[in-house]
Amino acid sequence: DGGITQSPKYLFRKEGQNVTLSCEQNLNHDAMYWYRQDPGQGLRLIYYSQIVNDFQKGDIAEGYSVSREKKESFPLTVTSAQKNPTAFYLCASSPIPGQGETQYFGPGTRLLVL
Amino acid sequence: AQRVTQPEKLLSVFKGAPVELKCNYSYSGSPELFWYVQYSRQRLQLLLRHISRESIKGFTADLNKGETSFHLKKPFAQEEDSAMYYCALKSGSRLTFGEGTQLTVNP
Repeated sequence: DGGITQSPKYLFRKEGQNVTLSCEQNLNHDAMYWYRQDPGQGLRLIYYSQIVNDFQKGDIAEGYSVSREKKESFPLTVTSAQKNPTAFYLCASSPIPGQGETQYFGPGTRLLVL
Repeated sequence: AQRVTQPEKLLSVFKGAPVELKCNYSYSGSPELFWYVQYSRQRLQLLLRHISRESIKGFTADLNKGETSFHLKKPFAQEEDSAMYYCALKSGSRLTFGEGTQLTVNP
C-alpha cells in the first residue's frame, strides 16, 4: 500500500515534554513538508525538506525541530518551547523539488496538551 | 511577501445552486495557483491548478491577474461537494495556503 503515513493518530503532551510525530512515505518523493492546521487559519508551513540531510524553516518554525536522515522519513519534534502546540499536524510530500504544488498529504496527527 | 486570502470561512448553498468560493492573492512574481479540497474523514488533496485550465468534478477556476483573484466556481452544486476548500499559491518550492472555506451543500 503506497502513500504517506503519519503516526500516531492522536498524541498527548505534558508540560515541558518534547514529543515526536512520525511521517513516512514510500512514494520515492524528494520533498517533504510539515504543516500545522488550526481552525480559521488554514495550513501554515512549519518546516520543509527538498533533499536528504537538508531542510528549511517555514513560517512558524519556532518551537519545532526536524531531521531528514532518510528520504522516506521526516519526523517532527514539538519541543517544550512551543507554547501552543495543540493543533492538527499534516505531513506532505512532493515528487520533485521546486515543483511543490503537487503535494500529497498524510492523514494527520492531532496533538493535545494535558 | 506572498499572501492568500479566502474571505469566507463558511459558505452554504442549496443543491443545484451555483457556488463560488473566493480567493485573492498578493505576489510580486508570476503566480501559480491551486485549489485543494478536504472531504470529511479524507486527506487533503489537489482539486485543480490554474495552468491546467481543467474542469474537475464540474469545478473551474480562472486566474484574473488584474483582480489578483482565483475564484472556484461550479454551476450546479451537489451534496457531495460539501468539504473544506483551500486556495494555494506557489512560491519557490513551497505553497502558501489560504485560511480555507467550509462549503456546505444542503439538500
